[in-house]
Amino acid sequence: AQTVTQSQPEMSVQEAETVTLSCTYDTSESDYYLFWYKQPPSRQMILVIRQEAYKQQNATENRFSVNFQKAAKSFSLKISDSQLGDAAMYFCAYRSPPQKLVFGQGTRLTINP
Amino acid sequence: KAGVTQTPRYLIKTRGQQVTLSCSPISGHRSVSWYQQTPGQGLQFLFEYFSETQRNKGNFPGRFSGRQFSNSRSEMNVSTLELGDSALYLCASSQQPDSPYGYTFGSGTRLTVV
Repeated sequence: AQTVTQSQPEMSVQEAETVTLSCTYDTSESDYYLFWYKQPPSRQMILVIRQEAYKQQNATENRFSVNFQKAAKSFSLKISDSQLGDAAMYFCAYRSPPQKLVFGQGTRLTINP
Repeated sequence: KAGVTQTPRYLIKTRGQQVTLSCSPISGHRSVSWYQQTPGQGLQFLFEYFSETQRNKGNFPGRFSGRQFSNSRSEMNVSTLELGDSALYLCASSQQPDSPYGYTFGSGTRLTVV
């Protein structure tokens, strides 16, 4: 079974600094997708960024970027110029269709003003 | 464009009762999935529906069931509630079941069983 591991239960960063959240996954599939979701106190899971496994180029969305290392099965999220609104739980997720989305346990990110 | 709407937002039920949660997906989205979120177990997949058919089912007891209507709205039902069923239940929708673009989630229904 596929598993997703986030080894950092909590992280904190100073406002305007850069922080990296770690994620590793275990799979024998070659075709899959990886996602980072953000869950603020409002509870809604918001898609931050996604990566297709067949693409070697790392995905980027404004201040958010990933470091995708397929051989190492690693998918870390880098947040640049951290803002107070970035404070939330961050979940790494994996999906190999037609299977379900599998989530990691989450990392709680605190932004210090 | 309205997002994924889940009702009710909060629910308190007594052990042994049953409950029905509702999810209206984004207009045009035909695939709906349900997840249970608890502090101990994290996010666990319940089931996925597409075109009124259950496509995938997680490892939950038969007390958990769901359905999807012709307008893509979905309901999940939990019968004979147990204290351990207390959780945040999240619904997610996508245009197609295997969409590479991920899901759009609702804000969830917080169920408390007393």
